[in-house]
Amino acid sequence: DTGVSQNPRHKITKRGQNVTFRCDPISEHNRLYWYRQTLGQGPEFLTYFQNEAQLEKSRLLSDRFSAERPKGSFSTLEIQRTEQGDSAMYLCASSLVLAESSYEQYFGPGTRLTVT
Amino acid sequence: RKEVEQDPGPFNVPEGATVAFNCTYSNSASQSFFWYRQDCRKEPKLLMSVYSSGNEDGRFTAQLNRASQYISLLIRDSKLSDSATYLCAVGRAYGQNFVFGPGTRLSVLP
Repeated sequence: DTGVSQNPRHKITKRGQNVTFRCDPISEHNRLYWYRQTLGQGPEFLTYFQNEAQLEKSRLLSDRFSAERPKGSFSTLEIQRTEQGDSAMYLCASSLVLAESSYEQYFGPGTRLTVT
Repeated sequence: RKEVEQDPGPFNVPEGATVAFNCTYSNSASQSFFWYRQDCRKEPKLLMSVYSSGNEDGRFTAQLNRASQYISLLIRDSKLSDSATYLCAVGRAYGQNFVFGPGTRLSVLP
């Protein structure tokens, strides 16, 4: 399967614990995005990378959240000291962006986080 | 006002019907427009890009109206398998993140 993959698919954790999610984008894609989605809402942007550089972070990304893409391939999203409000589906997407042209983002299956 | 808005529905239509959804956006500098389909508890899947000239893919037609700042999706001859949530996505600049609407739920009934 050459699509975007995410691990784990489900994570249940207790409030206050740290969690880390991984995303493997489509191999030739240079941009990687993290979104969060709660029930009844569309995905909300968190952050994105161009290769290994983190180019933008949303105001939603509090200091408890950190994301990395160390070698420009896979990315990790860590949430420290989880809160119940962090419960959501965390989606990763990737795209190939060349110059100024229309592009598409392809999503992985997501990691569903439940904080108890 | 939210940056991207959609009627959440649900739209309940019989098989074979034609249904249309609109999505409005507030940022006039937006550059890219897409429709995604999302099944329950699954990831969004790209349905189609939306171009100024409009585009068609089988039973699906998407259009962009920059003057009025909305995009539309028309589904002809609805199938049961079209039941899903349809998300519009707007890109502020090439390569940047998308802003999604809340989605419109469609149920196609036998």
